[in-house]
Amino acid sequence: AQSVAQPEDQVNVAEGNPLTVKCTYSVSGNPYPFWYVQYPNRGLQFLLKYITGDNLVKGSYGFEAEFNKSQTSFHLKKPSALVSDSALYFCAVRVSGGSYIPTFGRGTSLIVHP
Amino acid sequence: EAGVAQSPRYKIIEKRQSVAFWCNPISGHATLYWYQQILGQGPKLLIQFQNNGVVDDSQLPKDRFSAERLKGVDSTLKIQPAKLEDSAVYLCASSLTSGSTYNEQFFGPGTRLTVL
Repeated sequence: AQSVAQPEDQVNVAEGNPLTVKCTYSVSGNPYPFWYVQYPNRGLQFLLKYITGDNLVKGSYGFEAEFNKSQTSFHLKKPSALVSDSALYFCAVRVSGGSYIPTFGRGTSLIVHP
Repeated sequence: EAGVAQSPRYKIIEKRQSVAFWCNPISGHATLYWYQQILGQGPKLLIQFQNNGVVDDSQLPKDRFSAERLKGVDSTLKIQPAKLEDSAVYLCASSLTSGSTYNEQFFGPGTRLTVL
């Protein structure tokens, strides 16, 4: 069975500081991880994904994520947090060769304090 | 480009009643997904369509849930009869095709269902 873990229910960071939201996964096959963000009363929005090549992926709104195959992780990062980054972040993983259904983590609430 | 549309946005019903949700995906997107998101959890896939065919419905409680996408465009998800544990946000998403691991999904705003 495939699983995605987001070990922190909540991450607190001060505005201007770097942020990290963690994601690890356990899958059978080649993993293709994604990050989505959910603002209150809105649907999930795609942030970034890893396909192949450089392990450091750059996405929307200044976010980036590092794909680490040996540690089966895909942590989301941003060098300088903004208050407007406060939202719920979901990691999802798809596996090649199957039905391509993504498995989602339970989400991490990011709170950026002014 | 118009996004994924869902209606209604909110619905309150009593247990054992029926309810239906509607979704219109992004134009040209062949794949449509229905997810159930219970408070504090990540989205759980209920059913995935490729055009008007079902790709996966292994997690759909078929004794009470049904979904259709008759013309390969918009879709409806129905619950009959509803239970208290069905209270959740129902998300619809679409993507260009399911035949690629790389395609991201575009989500609608969701329908928040409360079953009393």
